[in-house]
Amino acid sequence: AQSVTQLGSHVSVSEGALVLLRCNYSSSVPPYLFWYVQYPNQGLQLLLKYTTGATLVKGINGFEAEFKKSETSFHLTKPSAHMSDAAEYFCAVSNSGAGSYQLTFGKGTKLSVIP
Amino acid sequence: GAVVSQHPSRVICKSGTSVKIECRSLDFQATTMFWYRQFPKQSLMLMATSNEGSKATYEQGVEKDKFLINHASLTLSTLTVTSAHPEDSSFYICSARDGEGNLGNQPQHFGDGTRLSIL
Repeated sequence: AQSVTQLGSHVSVSEGALVLLRCNYSSSVPPYLFWYVQYPNQGLQLLLKYTTGATLVKGINGFEAEFKKSETSFHLTKPSAHMSDAAEYFCAVSNSGAGSYQLTFGKGTKLSVIP
Repeated sequence: GAVVSQHPSRVICKSGTSVKIECRSLDFQATTMFWYRQFPKQSLMLMATSNEGSKATYEQGVEKDKFLINHASLTLSTLTVTSAHPEDSSFYICSARDGEGNLGNQPQHFGDGTRLSIL
C-alpha cells in the first residue's frame, strides 16, 4: 500500500519569499513521485517528477523538489514566490505495486501569495 | 506536447438525465486513462482505470452501472453518468498516460475537468 501526507492544508507566503510545501510518502517499493498544480476550475498540471537518478529534480515555473529516501520526503520548494504561484498543489506517489501505476494523491496544499 | 482535452467543461441538467463526458489525448496514444472525482476543497478520488479495448477497473465503492466507462480507441475515453441525481454533482477529471516506454516514468496528463451540476 502507498500513501501521501501533505503537511499543512494551507500555506501563506509573501511575494518574493521562499515557498516550501511538504510531502511525505509511504511505499513498500521504490516510489515514483510527482508534484502537480491545480488552478481553480482546472485540471492538474505536472510540475515535476522523480523516478530514478538525481534526487534533486527541477520542474517548471522555478520549482524544484528533493527526494530524501531516509526521510521518506519529497518537499517542493521555490526560492521566490510570485503572485501567479497561488494555487492548489498535490503531491502524488506511484509504484509498480499499484495496479497500472495508479497515482495516490495527498490531500493538497493551498498556496496563497501575499503581495 | 501531451495535451488532454476534456469536454464539456460544464454541464447543468435535470435529475434523471444521463451525461456523457469525453476525454481525448490529442498528441499521443493513451493506452490507459483514469477517471477521478473531486469534491470541493478535497483531493482527487480515483473512480476507475480504463485500458483501451478492455473493460474498466472500478475502485471499491464506485457503481459501475452508474458510471459507464468506454475506452474504444487509443485517444478517446468516455464517462457516462447514467440517470444522474443531485448527489452526483461534482468535478470530474480525466487523465491519460502515454503507453510508450516504462510506465512508471510516464506521468499522467490531465484534462481541465468537467463541472457537473444536477438540479
